[in-house]
Amino acid sequence: QKEVEQNSGPLSVPEGAIASLNCTYSDRGSQSFFWYRQYSGKSPELIMSIYSNGDKEDGRFTAQLNKASQYVSLLIRDSQPSDSATYLCAVTESGSARQLTFGSGTQLTVLP
Amino acid sequence: DADVTQTPRNRITKTGKRIMLECSQTKGHDRMYWYRQDPGLGLQLIYYSFDVKDINKGEISDGYSVSRQAQAKFSLSLESAIPNQTALYFCATRGRAGEGNNEQFFGPGTRLTVL
Repeated sequence: QKEVEQNSGPLSVPEGAIASLNCTYSDRGSQSFFWYRQYSGKSPELIMSIYSNGDKEDGRFTAQLNKASQYVSLLIRDSQPSDSATYLCAVTESGSARQLTFGSGTQLTVLP
Repeated sequence: DADVTQTPRNRITKTGKRIMLECSQTKGHDRMYWYRQDPGLGLQLIYYSFDVKDINKGEISDGYSVSRQAQAKFSLSLESAIPNQTALYFCATRGRAGEGNNEQFFGPGTRLTVL
């Protein structure tokens, strides 16, 4: 069973701080990694994708990938109350179907 | 305009009833997926389809069936609903491999309650 694990939280940070979200995965053949943001009762929204080792920055978001250690992280700089949501890590399985396996999500609360 | 739509958005039904959830997309994607989400859990794959003639079971297909009526339409059926199928259901689409990457785009979801 291929697994994607995240700390469920809740994670609370003050407004303006850096929020750090972590994810580990079991499938060494995984090639594509995604972070989705999900507000309560809403659908997941893709915010970051990363495919190679290192950092990828997009605005206030930075995704970090380390395939050797099988972890991927998401940093949110200058956190805002509107960032309060559940963040889902998703990993593409190796093999021809390349399905997404999701973690259970980390609930983030940004305190004003 | 929404690229991926789902109907109904909310449904309450009784144990033993047959129910169909529908998904339509205007993204032109060939790959479509049905997921289930329970409170505090991630998304679990029910079924997926790479084209009209290619339908595959996901990790939790028991108690569900699907129909791919056209490239743009993918329906999920519960033949005899049971209370533990109460959940939030999402449809998602993805373009053909090689067209960009492996990103999936989600519909707004259907909240299903089985009494």
